[in-house]
Amino acid sequence: AQSVAQPEDQVNVAEGNPLTVKCTYSVSGNPYLFWYVQYPNRGLQFLLKYITGDNLVKGSYGFEAEFNKSQTSFHLKKPSALVSDSALYFCAVRETSGTYKYIFGTGTRLKVLA
Amino acid sequence: DAGVIQSPRHEVTEMGQEVTLRCKPISGHDYLFWYRQTMMRGLELLIYFNNNVPIDDSGMPEDRFSAKMPNASFSTLKIQPSEPRDSAVYFCASSSQGRGTYEQYFGPGTRLTVT
Repeated sequence: AQSVAQPEDQVNVAEGNPLTVKCTYSVSGNPYLFWYVQYPNRGLQFLLKYITGDNLVKGSYGFEAEFNKSQTSFHLKKPSALVSDSALYFCAVRETSGTYKYIFGTGTRLKVLA
Repeated sequence: DAGVIQSPRHEVTEMGQEVTLRCKPISGHDYLFWYRQTMMRGLELLIYFNNNVPIDDSGMPEDRFSAKMPNASFSTLKIQPSEPRDSAVYFCASSSQGRGTYEQYFGPGTRLTVT
């Protein structure tokens, strides 16, 4: 079965430090991968995606993610965290067969400490 | 563009009542998704449409749930009769896969409380 996993429920990082939010996936074929952010009482907001091309993709608000095919990972990163980055982050993968629906991870709560 | 529009933003109803949630996708988008989010179950895909046609409704929990998309600019999710366990935030999202972009744009959600 096609799936995506976010192994950490919560990540704490000090403001100014680099942050990483982990995501691994299991799909056959070439995956389409996405990161979304959700602030309290808001809908999910698209951050970045990998469809094809360069393994390092850059997105909104200084975030980037690296697609690693051998490790089936798509970790979200930012060189210097801000308190305002504190939110819930979701990784998602689009199925490569069947109905091509999107599968979301369980979410990782990022807390940036001042 | 105004983004994905959902109404109402909040709905409080009594068990047994009919509830209708509404969604207006972004103009030109050819896919529309309905999700439900709860603390216990996270984000669940209920159903999605492509060009107004339902493609996958395997996430619809029971026959009490139904969804329609009569045209490209409007969709409804109906719960009849509602139950307390239906309390959740319901999100609508749309995307433009026909243009090769694939990312989904989410509405602000409808917070449903069934008492």
